[in-house]
Amino acid sequence: EPEVTQTPSHQVTQMGQEVILRCVPISNHLYFYWYRQILGQKVEFLVSFYNNEISEKSEIFDDQFSVERPDGSNFTLKIRSTKLEDSAMYFCASSYTEAGNTIYFGEGSWLTVV
Amino acid sequence: GESVGLHLPTLSVQEGDNSIINCAYSNSASDYFIWYKQESGKGPQFIIDIRSNMDKRQGQRVTVLLNKTVKHLSLQIAATQPGDSAVYFCAENGRTSYGKLTFGQGTILTVHP
Repeated sequence: EPEVTQTPSHQVTQMGQEVILRCVPISNHLYFYWYRQILGQKVEFLVSFYNNEISEKSEIFDDQFSVERPDGSNFTLKIRSTKLEDSAMYFCASSYTEAGNTIYFGEGSWLTVV
Repeated sequence: GESVGLHLPTLSVQEGDNSIINCAYSNSASDYFIWYKQESGKGPQFIIDIRSNMDKRQGQRVTVLLNKTVKHLSLQIAATQPGDSAVYFCAENGRTSYGKLTFGQGTILTVHP
């Protein structure tokens, strides 16, 4: 069964450092997403991406965050200058269409900022 | 504002029992609802979905019921197994905000052998 894959599974970084989280969405999917889950809390939407541009973003997704699809398979989330409160599990997700279509999640990248 | 919440944070059942997990939502524009299962350290796993033009949908051992009048969603798991133990989240997606899922708080389901 096709799946969304993410790397790294766990990353520890120092406050102020840049982090790039990588994702390979399901191959025929056209819509890509990043969500995050702070430990013990619910999953929160960060950003959606279609046709090489952001289609929607939440208030969490401020100027320190950026997304990119550098080639035909990868989808990345960059955090420019990490803060302690960025520590969370970051989930990449993808769907074939946007309208009421199943969104499949990856296993997540656990980011710890120290 | 939009919100999706759960009535019960934990549910313990015996193996073989049926489980019912509930979810309330407040956004009347919600158009599409999904139940996800999340095991420890893993990503949300799709279980079943339902669109707002339906009130019931069945899958393998799972049924989702939607009551738009009271904005309530439930997930029924038949013959619950220890492998069903996980956190279950409902999520909703509005007509004007497809792809932006709003997740509920989650219910911890524990199945005792």
